[in-house]
Amino acid sequence: SAVISQKPSRDICQRGTSLTIQCQVDSQVTMMFWYRQQPGQSLTLIATANQGSEATYESGFVIDKFPISRPNLTFSTLTVSNMSPEDSSIYLCSVYRTVNTEAFFGQGTRLTVV
Amino acid sequence: DAKTTQPTSMDCAEGRAANLPCNHSTISGNEYVYWYRQIHSQGPQYIIHGLKNNETNEMASLIITEDRKSSTLILPHATLRDTAVYYCIVMTTDSWGKLQFGAGTQVVVTP
Repeated sequence: SAVISQKPSRDICQRGTSLTIQCQVDSQVTMMFWYRQQPGQSLTLIATANQGSEATYESGFVIDKFPISRPNLTFSTLTVSNMSPEDSSIYLCSVYRTVNTEAFFGQGTRLTVV
Repeated sequence: DAKTTQPTSMDCAEGRAANLPCNHSTISGNEYVYWYRQIHSQGPQYIIHGLKNNETNEMASLIITEDRKSSTLILPHATLRDTAVYYCIVMTTDSWGKLQFGAGTQVVVTP
């Protein structure tokens, strides 16, 4: 399995501000993903974090709102920009290992926007 | 991607087997069936996956019908710690790692 560390684990932020979430993996992985889980809902894929190139966003998510960096094969960040209360969610990082065809998740960042 | 249909909720008695059904009638030949679960306030946990053969690991068994249009996840001896939301997901080889979560099945294991 892969060990995934997300920081912060939770935060309370003021509307209009931005928060950057970090995802650190204990080994190199090709594929990293970011998901959002709104209160009482299932997970929704935000984007694929590509190393060395711009992230690939799913329908309904845009780079200006959720900029993503992937400077190397073990690290990625997701920024939630210009936050509103509707952004209150759990944000999760996921990595996929081709060797055993499994995807692993971090424990998530619980964000509350007030 | 193929979509899946799961019951909204299930109750199971502790110590008994839990059989979780999943329909994926539009699954295509290059799509795998994956099962994850999410215990409250935690990240999803991988359980098992398969293509067409039945699979078993230390956590569960996966039974896939011959036509691949449905599958069943079996937890052989449910414990209270198995209470979680269980997600059945199909994943294509064209999009490894990209999981499209449905609503899942809320499983409650009772003493």
